[in-house]
Amino acid sequence: EAGVTQSPTHLIKTRGQQATLRCSPISGHTSVYWYQQALGLGLQFLLWYDEGEERNRGNFPPRFSGRQFPNYSSELNVNALELEDSALYLCASSLAREQYFGPGTRLTVT
Amino acid sequence: DQQVKQNSPSLSVQEGRISILNCDYTNSMFDYFLWYKKYPAEGPTFLISISSIKDKNEDGRFTVFLNKSAKHLSLHIVPSQPGDSAVYFCAASDGYSGAGSYQLTFGKGTKLSVIP
Repeated sequence: EAGVTQSPTHLIKTRGQQATLRCSPISGHTSVYWYQQALGLGLQFLLWYDEGEERNRGNFPPRFSGRQFPNYSSELNVNALELEDSALYLCASSLAREQYFGPGTRLTVT
Repeated sequence: DQQVKQNSPSLSVQEGRISILNCDYTNSMFDYFLWYKKYPAEGPTFLISISSIKDKNEDGRFTVFLNKSAKHLSLHIVPSQPGDSAVYFCAASDGYSGAGSYQLTFGKGTKLSVIP
C-alpha cells in the first residue's frame, strides 16, 4: 500500500512570493492534516480537510490556506511569504485517530 | 503554553536494555495518545497509540503506559536496538471538541541514541 506522498521535496522562494505544496493521502483516507515544523517550535497543526471541506485550522494567519480535491489530495498555499515561514511542512492522512505522515516539503524563504 | 511536554531532550541507552521515554500533558480533554518516531529528513512514522479508556497497550517491542491521574504517559522499548535511534514524539488529540477534528498536539521530541 502506497503511503502519503508530498511534492516538491524542497522549495526555495523569495519573500513576498507564493508557495504551493501538494499532498496525496493513503488510498481510502478522506482526512488530510497539514502541520508545520519550524526550527525550535516542534510540529504545529495548520489545517484539517475532510470530504473536500476545510474543517479546522490552527493558530496561523489567513495567508495560509488550501483545498482538498475530489480525489482527497490536498494543496497548501502560503501567500506573501515571510522569512519565518521557512520550515518543514508535513501532510498526514487518516481514516480514524491514527495519522500517517508523508516525508514533508522543506520550504526555504530567502 | 505547551500542552504536551517531553522534558528529556535526549536519552542514551545500551543495546539490549530498556528505553523509557516520558511525556506529560496538561489538557484534560485529550483522550487519545500516540507515539511517533522520526528520522532526519523523513516524516514521522506512527508507532503505537492508546485510548484514554486503557492504561496499557503493547505492540511487539513497544509498550505504552498511560496514567490519567498523573497526566503522564511513557513508551517502553524492550530490547532497544541501534535502529531505534531516532527522535520520538509524543502526541495527543482531543475527541470531544472541534467537531470531530482529531488534530494532534505534539511534544518537542526526545532524541534516543541506542549504543551498540
